[in-house]
Amino acid sequence: EVQLVESGGGLVQPGGSLRLSCAVSGFTFRKFCMHWVRQTPGKGLVWVSRFNRDGSSISYADSVKGRFTISRENAKNTLYLQMNSLRVEDTAVYYCARGGGFYGDDGYFDLWGRGTLVTVSS
Amino acid sequence: DIQMTQSPSSLSASVGDRVTITCRAIQTIYTYLNWYQQKPGKAPKLLIYAASSLESGVPSRFTGSGSGTDFTLTISSLQPEDFATYYCQQSYSFPLTFGGGTEVELK
Repeated sequence: EVQLVESGGGLVQPGGSLRLSCAVSGFTFRKFCMHWVRQTPGKGLVWVSRFNRDGSSISYADSVKGRFTISRENAKNTLYLQMNSLRVEDTAVYYCARGGGFYGDDGYFDLWGRGTLVTVSS
Repeated sequence: DIQMTQSPSSLSASVGDRVTITCRAIQTIYTYLNWYQQKPGKAPKLLIYAASSLESGVPSRFTGSGSGTDFTLTISSLQPEDFATYYCQQSYSFPLTFGGGTEVELK
């Protein structure tokens, strides 16, 4: 069974840090581009970052560039998002998602995790 | 960034109705357009990719069309399980961007 399971969310003060993880099973993780997408409570979806299968293409949304770092550990089938200098506006459910297409490089998301909630508040 | 605009933002419909949702890009995105369905408390689910390709396992009552800047998602005969929010998303260029969503409610 294919699964993407996020963890690491929680309540953090502004300026604080969190590290999200996404544990993957049921497909060959190392062969696919992976993404983080977030959703503000009651609002829409926003793409955050991507890490392609070999690390040659790593991208961030402008709103998180310089504060968030995406990484992956293929041996552990795990995707990460290190979030530093958190702001109130980073409050959201964070989803990891597999890229669609042959190597997951087609820019859409064909598998999603259930998400983990990050709340930034004093 | 490529702005995506969906309309309507919400609609009310009955089981069996034909429903059409539109999505417009601020510039051409050719057929790099994808559609998702999201139910409350759940992750989005891919329905259509590349404007008109049906994702495996998605019922054939869902159809996507369009190219350039204007796109449409059609549900030919609305079923009870289709009441949800639908999002379009462009995959032409980074940053990848989504439309604001269309909530399909029971009339």
